[in-house]
Amino acid sequence: SFGLTQDPAVSVALGQTVRITCQGDSLRSYYANWYQQKPGQPPVLVVYGQNNRPSGIPHRFSGSSSGDTASLTITGAQAEDEADYYCNSRDTSGHHLLFGGGTKVTVL
Amino acid sequence: QVQLVQSGAEVKTPGDSVKVACKASGYTFKDYVIHWVRQARGQGLEWMGRINPASGDTKYSPKFQGTVTISRDTSARTVYLEMSRLGSEDTAIYYCARALVATIDQWGQGTPVTVS
Repeated sequence: SFGLTQDPAVSVALGQTVRITCQGDSLRSYYANWYQQKPGQPPVLVVYGQNNRPSGIPHRFSGSSSGDTASLTITGAQAEDEADYYCNSRDTSGHHLLFGGGTKVTVL
Repeated sequence: QVQLVQSGAEVKTPGDSVKVACKASGYTFKDYVIHWVRQARGQGLEWMGRINPASGDTKYSPKFQGTVTISRDTSARTVYLEMSRLGSEDTAIYYCARALVATIDQWGQGTPVTVS
């Protein structure tokens, strides 16, 4: 496989923790980045690299990686976290970008 | 502040070509790669290609090689996406996005392209 695979959907109770995964061969060589997208808006970077958050992104968003799998964790999910989340990385050649298929997060 | 402002919505007929512009401001234009990513209604993000504004070097997704051209005008701080031989499957929102290699930290507002 040369793509990035994400689960299509996940739900989490308000205030609880949810982990979203992204799997692909290229993740053995390159870190994943994570984007949040709400309806009608462009994506927003929430976690990048080993585990970095851009300015303004809440601390409840964190990233991790092991082998061919990267994860985004939302600790204490809030209603406003309900969105689609996409991972991306380089492909194994390093010359192209890949995006995962996206995970829809529902906050119950 | 950093901004990527894209040209307006386009409506095309199958077989047409389209050229979408992305004007950058608020940063050193040559310091960041510009990617083009599209999203069909209700679908995920799809990487199309990128350009290094400093060198003009381009890379394309194999899917779009031969039908997509990415170019830049450094004096105008603008990057262009041109697509030829449009089909209904090309109906989507097209985003330009600024990146340090693969980490995209700024997106344009998106340009809807409708082919019908």
